Amino acid sequence: EAGVAQSPRYKIIEKRQSVAFWCNPISGHATLYWYQQILGQGPKLLIQFQNNGVVDDSQLPKDRFSAERLKGVDSTLKIQPAKLEDSAVYLCASTPSWGYEQYFGPGTRLTVT
Amino acid sequence: GQQVMQIPQYQHVQEGEDFTTYCNSSTTLSNIQWYKQRPGGHPVFLIQLVKSGEVKKQKRLTFQFGEAKKNSSLHITATQTTDVGTYFCAGEVAGANSKLTFGKGITLSVRP
Repeated sequence: EAGVAQSPRYKIIEKRQSVAFWCNPISGHATLYWYQQILGQGPKLLIQFQNNGVVDDSQLPKDRFSAERLKGVDSTLKIQPAKLEDSAVYLCASTPSWGYEQYFGPGTRLTVT
Repeated sequence: GQQVMQIPQYQHVQEGEDFTTYCNSSTTLSNIQWYKQRPGGHPVFLIQLVKSGEVKKQKRLTFQFGEAKKNSSLHITATQTTDVGTYFCAGEVAGANSKLTFGKGITLSVRP
């Protein structure tokens, strides 16, 4: 079974630029999560999708972050414009409808200079 | 908001020693999960605890959920260098839109 795929793996941008991350969850997993993990901290949930609907986006900075999962499969997370404090690893995870275990992808390491 | 605390953030042990770490929540949890993240890797699910006082074992790892469902512990017997990594607990509060709240994690290093 293929794992959660994410791209790119690394991204360096200047502040005020835009960036987008892509995630393809494990096939058949209905729930998809985007997390932000700042160095030395645990993952912080940004947004949770159930199929193509948003379940929770209470911690998503909506003035600059957006995410979509149009067909209920893969998802994109966008930051526009980026700030220095957005430097972090962005993790995507998915869960099957019959389970609770979250399967994480390898993450995208974003550096904002 | 809900907080999940893990203190300390770093611990160093000699290979073969036992290791115990604790996780505390500011609110009663419906369940707690533990994840392990190797250096440079991503979190990997270890276990979920649901019942008050529940104890689960995985080889040398023992997980326990507190009676009040507000704390949890992870005990590793006879640590090995393969145990190196950061261990996160993540708690979930019951509700329609429940989500996992992760602690900051404890990074374990093992001296061979």
